[in-house]
Amino acid sequence: NFMLTQPHSVSESPGKTVTISCTRSSGSIASNYVQWYQQRPGSAPTTVIYEDNQRPSGVPDRFSGSIDSSSNSASLTISGLKTEDEADYYCQSYDSSNHPSWVFGGGTKLTVL
Amino acid sequence: QVQLVQSGAEVKKPGASVKVSCKASGYTFTSYGISWVRQAPGQGLEWMGWISAYNGNTNYAQKLQGRVTMTTDTSTSTAYMELRSLRSDDTAVYYCARVSYSTESFDPWGQGTLVTVSS
Repeated sequence: NFMLTQPHSVSESPGKTVTISCTRSSGSIASNYVQWYQQRPGSAPTTVIYEDNQRPSGVPDRFSGSIDSSSNSASLTISGLKTEDEADYYCQSYDSSNHPSWVFGGGTKLTVL
Repeated sequence: QVQLVQSGAEVKKPGASVKVSCKASGYTFTSYGISWVRQAPGQGLEWMGWISAYNGNTNYAQKLQGRVTMTTDTSTSTAYMELRSLRSDDTAVYYCARVSYSTESFDPWGQGTLVTVSS
């Protein structure tokens, strides 16, 4: 098993760019795809990034994902921040040591102020 | 459109069981898996387990082994999650989500079912 560690919270101003990290505790970040989910208060999560860097249709190109093997982490970057981007963001990855199972990061609260 | 619709909120006493349903529409039910995820009040997402809608194979999170059972009814395209011996710390919103075998991602998610465990 491994853990995914995210910052508890980040904040940035409208129009700026923010990056949320997700660090894998053991095993290579590149060994399984990373997904990112957005959860607004009172709502179910929705996918903003899948397969490390793919955007579902309907998700604006202000959202992008990447992985960095040197730091064993994934990142979600949101550019041109809007107040509607304020939400909790969770990273997730497949755990191939316990097939099939998945691990979620602890979530990051994004505040746009 | 692809949609998962869950059953309504439940209030249970400690020691009781709860069974939550998740009805799928808009896709071939047996071509995907279903995972269940829960979220305690003010907390993050916790993966509970997975079931193949094709053959019923399951895999549960270790901490829930022995208390959770996931099943499907392919005739109605419905998945079920039963949790037994409920405790107060099982109070949470329970979500089902469709699992893509190709992308390993969860999409879409059901709307969530609040289960409250209280004496």
